[in-house]
Amino acid sequence: AQSVAQPEDQVKVAEGNPLTVKCTYSVSGNPYLFWYVQYPNRGLQFLLKYITGDNLVKGSYGFEAEFNKSQTSFHLKKPSALVSDSALYFCAVRDLRSGAGSYQLTFGKGTKLSVIP
Amino acid sequence: GAVVSQHPSRVICKSGTSVKIECRSLDFQATTMFWYRQFPKQSLMLMATSNEGSKATYEQGVEKDKFLINHASLTLSTLTVTSAHPEDSSFYICSARDQTGNTEAFFGQGTRLTVV
Repeated sequence: AQSVAQPEDQVKVAEGNPLTVKCTYSVSGNPYLFWYVQYPNRGLQFLLKYITGDNLVKGSYGFEAEFNKSQTSFHLKKPSALVSDSALYFCAVRDLRSGAGSYQLTFGKGTKLSVIP
Repeated sequence: GAVVSQHPSRVICKSGTSVKIECRSLDFQATTMFWYRQFPKQSLMLMATSNEGSKATYEQGVEKDKFLINHASLTLSTLTVTSAHPEDSSFYICSARDQTGNTEAFFGQGTRLTVV
């Protein structure tokens, strides 16, 4: 079974400082990894993904993530945090269960990011 | 990216009534859509996988007679909460994948259901 762990319920960082939101995963085969952001009472917005290739993935709003196969991690990073980055962040891994047209994601529990002005 | 529209964004209903939530892919065709439920301060729980033209596949513990899913076209899936009770109050989110080849899923805005 696939699983995703986000070890931190909450991350606080000062505006302008770098931020990291941690994610580790467990899958039986090659992982497809994703980061999504959720603002209050809204759906999820796609930030970035890792499928194959370069381990450093760049995404929306200046975010990036580094795939580390040996540590089974996919931490989300941003060099300089903005107050507007404050939101709930979810790491997800693609569920490789079979099924015509299926595409099921397994989510971590989420990490609340608070950027302090 | 592709757009998924979910309606309504908020609904309040009385116990015992039914509520229908719509999920539309606006600019792509989605043979498969997914319905999630999210409790406060918790992650998304997959409820069911909605397949166009066939029966939905429900996750273990999800009552299929209570959460009716219909995926009648390539751009529309509906979730009907039947005989709603206060414990059904939650945030429901749908998602769909662009079948042209993108590997990420796109999510609707979510529906906040409150049963009084």
